[in-house]
Amino acid sequence: EAGVAQSPRYKIIEKRQSVAFWCNPISGHATLYWYQQILGQGPKLLIQFQNNGVVDDSQLPKDRFSAERLKGVDSTLKIQPAKLEDSAVYLCASSVGSAGGLDTQYFGPGTRLTVL
Amino acid sequence: GNSVTQMEGPVTLSEEAFLTINCTYTATGYPSLFWYVQYPGEGLQLLLKATKADDKGSNKGFEATYRKETTSFHLEKGSVQVSDSAVYFCALSKGGGGNKLTFGTGTQLKVEL
Repeated sequence: EAGVAQSPRYKIIEKRQSVAFWCNPISGHATLYWYQQILGQGPKLLIQFQNNGVVDDSQLPKDRFSAERLKGVDSTLKIQPAKLEDSAVYLCASSVGSAGGLDTQYFGPGTRLTVL
Repeated sequence: GNSVTQMEGPVTLSEEAFLTINCTYTATGYPSLFWYVQYPGEGLQLLLKATKADDKGSNKGFEATYRKETTSFHLEKGSVQVSDSAVYFCALSKGGGGNKLTFGTGTQLKVEL
C-alpha cells in the first residue's frame, strides 16, 4: 500500500515570496491533515479536512496561509507571502476518517521549507 | 488547553541499556495517548497507543502504560538497539470528530555500540 506522498521534499525561498506544497493521501482516506513542525518543537496542526470540507483551521494563519482539497483527494498548502518564521517542516497526514472514531494518522515524509 | 510535556534530549544510551522517556499530559476529559517515532530522513510513524486509563500499548519491544492518576504515559524498552536511534514524540488526541493530535516537543534517542 502506498503511503502519503508529499512534494517537494525541500524548498528554499526568499521572504515575501510565495510557495506551495502538495500532498497525496493514502487511497481511500477521507481525512487529511497539515502540520507545521518548527525545529525543536512538536508538530502543530494547521488544518484538517474531512473529504473536501474543513474540520479545523483554528491555528492556520489565514492572512498568509491557505489550503484546499479539491475533489476530496489531493491537497495543496500555500504560503503567500512567506516570513522568516515560516521556516519549518510541513507534514501531511491522512486517516480513514471514521465518524466519531479515533483513527491512526499516517504521515508523509514532509517538506522542509527554508525562508531566507 | 491540551498539552504534552516530554523529557528533553538527547538521551544517549549504550546498546542493551534500559530506556525510559517521560511524558506527562494536561487535558480535559479522557484523551487517547500515543507515541510516534521519527527515524532519520523518514516521516512520523505510530509506535504505540492507549485509549483508556490503565491500558498498556506495546510494539517492537516498547511499552507505555496510560496512568490517569499521574497523567503520564512514559515510554520504556528493556534493551535498546542502535536501530532504535530516532526522535520519539508523545501525543494526545481527544478523538471524536476532530481527531487532532497535540504533540510534545520530541526526545532524541541515540544508541551507541
